[in-house]
Amino acid sequence: QVQLLESGPGLVKPSQTLSLTCTVSGGSISSGGYYWTWIRQHPGKGLEYIGYIYYSGNTYSNPSLKSRVTISVDTSKNQFSLKLSSVTAADTAVYYCARDVALTANFDYWGQGTLVTVSS
Amino acid sequence: QSALTQPASVSGSPGQSISISCSGTSSDVGGYNYVSWYQQHPGKAPKIMIYAVNNRPSGVPDRFSGSKSGNTASLTISGLQAEDEAVYYCTSYTTTSPVVFGGGTRLTVL
Repeated sequence: QVQLLESGPGLVKPSQTLSLTCTVSGGSISSGGYYWTWIRQHPGKGLEYIGYIYYSGNTYSNPSLKSRVTISVDTSKNQFSLKLSSVTAADTAVYYCARDVALTANFDYWGQGTLVTVSS
Repeated sequence: QSALTQPASVSGSPGQSISISCSGTSSDVGGYNYVSWYQQHPGKAPKIMIYAVNNRPSGVPDRFSGSKSGNTASLTISGLQAEDEAVYYCTSYTTTSPVVFGGGTRLTVL
């Protein structure tokens, strides 16, 4: 059974960089065919696609966030990470990592989500 | 990227059937058979209920079904149960970005 677990600070100051890691267990990030994805949900709102990384390092980021987003992968640790720079209060959200099967919008496994609050 | 259009809320009584629509364009819902539906209970991560328009993952009750006609996809829940009360999101692959989400539909079981 594949499991994903997000980790990182729950509080980030404005203008700083939000950094989260998703640790994958029960399966290998390098197995191919899966796109490792970040999704966020503002309080009381819907889901927002942040971007993905493939194990080879290919990435995609939502154009609305692209200039601030870096997604990376560490296959040796079976982890992938999200960095979001120059954060503001508008970046306060629950951040989820998820696995997309073959880039078909089929997110079959999700992390539990982690709330990140941007505040001084 | 424009979100897919879902009704804000639907409701039904236990045992009844309800449908939730998800309207898109030929660049997403209408152009690909990659529409998925997710159920989200408060404080929980979304859970996949339907993928590739009408496929149910293992463990999802057969009360849940999906369909598509043109640029509109639908999720139907038959034999409504109290535990089905949740927010439902549709998603689709899209030519403009890998994925677009619907705004979510709150299902109330009366």
